[in-house]
Amino acid sequence: NAGVTQTPKFQVLKTGQSMTLQCAQDMNHNSMYWYRQDPGMGLRLIYYSASEGTTDKGEVPNGYNVSRLNKREFSLRLESAAPSQTSVYFCASSDQGAAGYNSPLHFGNGTRLTVT
Amino acid sequence: GENVEQHPSTLSVQEGDSAVIKCTYSDSASNYFPWYKQELGKGPQLIIDIRSNVGEKKDQRIAVTLNKTAKHFSLHITETQPEDSAVYFCAVPFNTGFQKLVFGTGTRLLVSP
Repeated sequence: NAGVTQTPKFQVLKTGQSMTLQCAQDMNHNSMYWYRQDPGMGLRLIYYSASEGTTDKGEVPNGYNVSRLNKREFSLRLESAAPSQTSVYFCASSDQGAAGYNSPLHFGNGTRLTVT
Repeated sequence: GENVEQHPSTLSVQEGDSAVIKCTYSDSASNYFPWYKQELGKGPQLIIDIRSNVGEKKDQRIAVTLNKTAKHFSLHITETQPEDSAVYFCAVPFNTGFQKLVFGTGTRLLVSP
């Protein structure tokens, strides 16, 4: 049981290049999330998908797009990478169900992205 | 939106000592308070959580206490061991029809043998 799998683990991009970060979960969770982690700033939510077929913006969505491909997969795309997007990116999933009920997040091991 | 403050940012203790990390939050409607542990090179992992209908929850050497009136909650680790060394994050849900967790800025705990 792999949990949440992210690819790639490491990536270096030049300013202006594009790339897609992949995420897949095998826990049959409804909800998926993308966070970025920067020193001294904790984890900040970029986008989330409450259920298959829906996506919404989080705290820091500018410069990113997402696709909920199916229930298992949620990808994050950088169309034109900037140095400010140098960060560690985490995908997470949860079994979020009824409104008002909070369930734990399960995280992948992250993608370390450097934009030069 | 929800504002979460976490202190201290770093904490060094000797093996066997206790460690306490505190988080304060702004939204009095928040009702779920998890703590995550992040080891080097890995994603955060839930270690304990508490819901607002209880004041304290324990799981072996770790415990979480909640003071809803003062809007703060704390992680307590007793009899610390070197393998407790990690970064710990508190989180609070920001509910606008769907749960989104807002994380504190993290506490780096170092347990020296």
